[in-house]
Amino acid sequence: AQKVTQAQTEISVVEKEDVTLDCVYETRDTTYYLFWYKQPPSGELVFLIRRNSFDEQNEISGRYSWNFQKSTSSFNFTITASQVVDSAVYFCALSEGDDKIIFGKGTRLHILP
Amino acid sequence: ETGVTQTPRHLVMGMTNKKSLKCEQHLGHNAMYWYKQSAKKPLELMFVYSLEERVENNSVPSRFSPECPNSSHLFLHLHTLQPEDSALYLCASSQDGGAVYGYTFGSGTRLTVV
Repeated sequence: AQKVTQAQTEISVVEKEDVTLDCVYETRDTTYYLFWYKQPPSGELVFLIRRNSFDEQNEISGRYSWNFQKSTSSFNFTITASQVVDSAVYFCALSEGDDKIIFGKGTRLHILP
Repeated sequence: ETGVTQTPRHLVMGMTNKKSLKCEQHLGHNAMYWYKQSAKKPLELMFVYSLEERVENNSVPSRFSPECPNSSHLFLHLHTLQPEDSALYLCASSQDGGAVYGYTFGSGTRLTVV
């Protein structure tokens, strides 16, 4: 069965610090997709990234980077030089290619000025 | 308009009222979803519609009644709700189940039941 675990319920860091959000997943499929979404206070979940199981290359987008490691079933998300606008709830999610995506419980990130 | 639009953004209703939440997508997607997000709780998938047919109902109480008249519109009809139904209700859409390209979410309707 699919499962996504975000062990960090809430994290607080001071602005400009780096922060890593952990995501561990479980799946029996060899083909699957991993996602990260950001939910700012406005409520809408905003798509950040998608990764398929055959592409283990790490990705960097500005201050955001993602580390995908199949050996540890992890897909961690790092924000470098955090800013107050990064404060949000972040969800990791997994899909095995059927009709729905499984979301983790989310990590609430507070960036303190 | 583009994306997924939900109306109203905020709704306060009494336990005896009947109201409806509306979701509209202009992305040409063929699947739509209702999620419930209560305070400090994980996202709960309520209903899934694919090609306008309900394909999943996750043991949602009958006081929540979904309707999908076409692939662009999704409604959630509410009646005789309880205070514990107060939550953020999110609508999402996807193409072909969303497995490959993910879901696109609306901004949600924040519902308060008094």
